[in-house]
Amino acid sequence: DAGVTQSPTHLIKTRGQHVTLRCSPISGHKSVSWYQQVLGQGPQFIFQYYEKEERGRGNFPDRFSARQFPNYSSELNVNALLLGDSALYLCASSPTGQETQYFGPGTRLLVL
Amino acid sequence: GENVEQHPSTLSVQEGDSAVIKCTYSDSASNYFPWYKQELGKRPQLIIDIRSNVGEKKDQRIAVTLNKTAKHFSLHITETQPEDSAVYFCAATWGSARQLTFGSGTQLTVLP
Repeated sequence: DAGVTQSPTHLIKTRGQHVTLRCSPISGHKSVSWYQQVLGQGPQFIFQYYEKEERGRGNFPDRFSARQFPNYSSELNVNALLLGDSALYLCASSPTGQETQYFGPGTRLLVL
Repeated sequence: GENVEQHPSTLSVQEGDSAVIKCTYSDSASNYFPWYKQELGKRPQLIIDIRSNVGEKKDQRIAVTLNKTAKHFSLHITETQPEDSAVYFCAATWGSARQLTFGSGTQLTVLP
């Protein structure tokens, strides 16, 4: 039984560039949430999507955007990268977003 | 929004001893409190959770207690083993998206 998958696992970008991160939820889960985890801190909520609609947004600038596809996979996009965007980006899925969230392995982004 | 505080930030115990990690939350509307274990370089993994209509929940060596009046909840690990060494995060859900707000984490080290 496959868990949450994310790609790529690691990514190196330079300031000002754009990045797209991808997430596939557990089969049958219709909700995907994105979190940013800076080294030494707990994950911070960025977005939640359910049935392709944005259900919630955390305190992140408009440079961060996301979408969910008909197959419930999701993309997180970050424009105009800053050094401070370097972090582990985690995707979590749940059946409807109202229950336990299960995390993927994350994408480690380094901005130089 | 929700604010979750977690203590202590580091905890060292001898193998076989018990470990207790405490969290407080601010939003009285929060009703779901999961605990995640995160080993170095890996995804957060759910180890136990509790809902606000329950005061205590146990799963083998792990237990969680919740005091809704005081708005705090605690993780108890008994008979600790070296493989329990990891960072532990508490979290609380709030908002229409039921997004997770995480504590700052506790680095637990179990000394053999």
